[in-house]
Amino acid sequence: DIQMTQSPSSLSASVGDRVTITCRASQTITNYLNWYQYKPGRAPNLLIYAASTLQSGVPSRFSGSGSGTDFTLTISNLQPEDFATYYCQQTFSMPHTFGQGTRLDIK
Amino acid sequence: QVQLVESGGGVVQPGRPLRLSCAASGFTFGGHGMHWVRQAPGKGLEWVARIWHDGSSQYYADSVKDRFTISRDNSKNSLYLQMDSLRVEDTAVYYCARETWRVGDIPTLDYWGQGTLVTVSS
Repeated sequence: DIQMTQSPSSLSASVGDRVTITCRASQTITNYLNWYQYKPGRAPNLLIYAASTLQSGVPSRFSGSGSGTDFTLTISNLQPEDFATYYCQQTFSMPHTFGQGTRLDIK
Repeated sequence: QVQLVESGGGVVQPGRPLRLSCAASGFTFGGHGMHWVRQAPGKGLEWVARIWHDGSSQYYADSVKDRFTISRDNSKNSLYLQMDSLRVEDTAVYYCARETWRVGDIPTLDYWGQGTLVTVSS
């Protein structure tokens, strides 16, 4: 199975900041990498697919990059509604494993 | 609009079975693969199972293989998860999610339900 490792596990930031979350795969997954936002009590929300393509309706302050084994999710100009937990997921091969999540808190 | 509504969660004793359902609406259900994903208390998202659009193939996480069965009824726009031999560690919120293939044939989970809570406890 492909292991997905996110870092950091948590981080604190302020409204208006720019933050970057990284995700590393244990083997190459080309660009089969998706990012999701999760808020407690809500359905997870697809943000980025194919490593760098913004899902329809997602604000442009979210961006993704990377290929192979190393990927990043960047959120520019943090807004109050962005404080949540973020997960990467590989869909290169079964099982479609998730990273352990990165919790983004308000500083 | 796309809607996925899970049901069937509850409290169940270890070793007992439980069947979850996911009612889909607002899209051509038979045109999409479907997944179950769970989140245990205080833990991250864990992928559980996947079924092809026509039900012809199923895949499972090792943690549930041989205990859980994913199935679907396209005539009823419904997805199911039969959970047998439940364990305390299966306690989680279970989400159903729609699979959509994006450019480059990359699967994504683009719509999710609100989840249903399964508690396995004696």
